Amino acid sequence: GEDVEQSLFLSVREGDSSVINCTYTDSSSTYLYWYKQEPGAGLQLLTYIFSNMDMKQDQRLTVLLNKKDKHLSLRIADTQTGDSAIYFCAERRNDYKLSFGAGTTVTVRA
Amino acid sequence: SAVISQKPSRDICQRGTSLTIQCQVDSQVTMMFWYRQQPGQSLTLIATANQGSEATYESGFVIDKFPISRPNLTFSTLTVSNMSPEDSSIYLCSVEDSGVRGYTFGSGTRLTVV
Repeated sequence: GEDVEQSLFLSVREGDSSVINCTYTDSSSTYLYWYKQEPGAGLQLLTYIFSNMDMKQDQRLTVLLNKKDKHLSLRIADTQTGDSAIYFCAERRNDYKLSFGAGTTVTVRA
Repeated sequence: SAVISQKPSRDICQRGTSLTIQCQVDSQVTMMFWYRQQPGQSLTLIATANQGSEATYESGFVIDKFPISRPNLTFSTLTVSNMSPEDSSIYLCSVEDSGVRGYTFGSGTRLTVV
């Protein structure tokens, strides 16, 4: 199975908050990332969190890290139609390579 | 942050032919990474390209199928050789970007093999 796991789909009403969850396996990961991929586009780095942090906020984005449970989440406040995309969780391994989750497809409905 | 120019953005190729994908970075970087994203799937690392040494390939990927060049610290190419329809994917290059404390990706090459 994959080292990084995410739920595959999330449907959210416009204006509500979205929460995307991720679990990872490598306890020595130093950085964890959230990437966004819009249809037909490449990957856009949204935010990252260092492993000694438990929370990071950046405008509408809040990242929570539970290192004990190896659980990472991304909360998007006031979700907009432009937030519809695939969101990938990724962990940076000791060999500087990234392991990606399968991606969560977020659909924002009016 | 680093800016990556990846070419071509898309191509349709005949089976049995080869396609070379180029990635140009606007700053010098030590490691460049090549990924494959099959339709509806996540990203899978193909190989890591270091300047001055042979690329290191992940399990399931071999040099004969995906030869990589890294002639300097700002450029790399990935060739998809002897293509079959199963090679239809998006191929992306990536670099570690100290400016953003993350990894920056090229816009990807959407390859369709017919």
